[in-house]
Amino acid sequence: DGGITQSPKYLFRKEGQNVTLSCEQNLNHDAMYWYRQDPGQGLRLIYYSQIVNDFQKGDIAEGYSVSREKKESFPLTVTSAQKNPTAFYLCASRTRGTTVEQYFGPGTRLTVT
Amino acid sequence: SQELEQSPQSLIVQEGKNLTINCTSSKTLYGLYWYKQKYGEGLIFLMMLQKGGEEKSHEKITAKLDEKKQQSSLHITASQPSHAGIYLCGADNQAGTALIFGKGTTLSVSS
Repeated sequence: DGGITQSPKYLFRKEGQNVTLSCEQNLNHDAMYWYRQDPGQGLRLIYYSQIVNDFQKGDIAEGYSVSREKKESFPLTVTSAQKNPTAFYLCASRTRGTTVEQYFGPGTRLTVT
Repeated sequence: SQELEQSPQSLIVQEGKNLTINCTSSKTLYGLYWYKQKYGEGLIFLMMLQKGGEEKSHEKITAKLDEKKQQSSLHITASQPSHAGIYLCGADNQAGTALIFGKGTTLSVSS
């Protein structure tokens, strides 16, 4: 089955530690995205990548970093510089171009204490 | 920058009743997407609207895009407990490189 895998489902970290969230897709999509979801806030775009070895900042990129070394993979690192990292993180992908739906992974809930 | 406003923020309806959720954009919409989300899960794509006046239906859910392409509505007929969840509208950003989303509408259906 084609789809997007995010792991783990739940992640717990201590404040001050960096943590990397995994996102893998086997849909052969060029574009991949990371969103953050907080209660009552909807989805906010963190980073996106239209092609391998290239990525752009979204609306709330501060305190996050990404890499896109392979078409299938788009890991997100939440650094210690992110002031409020506890949230639900969603990865998505789609074929390049507009008016094409995005497919979403199941999400990772990160809790930092 | 473009913003999407959804109303209402939350909704409680009795099973069997009809309901409507609205999504209003600050700019012309070139692609409007409706998604559904169960709490703590990923988003499930429902429908995409592109043309002014366009209307699409799937089972008991109908979505419309107004002629001016700045507002969309999602209508559920004869609601069921399975319709409960968070409904989000999304739109292509100005550069066409990513989707932006409204804050969502939480729907509860009481039996």
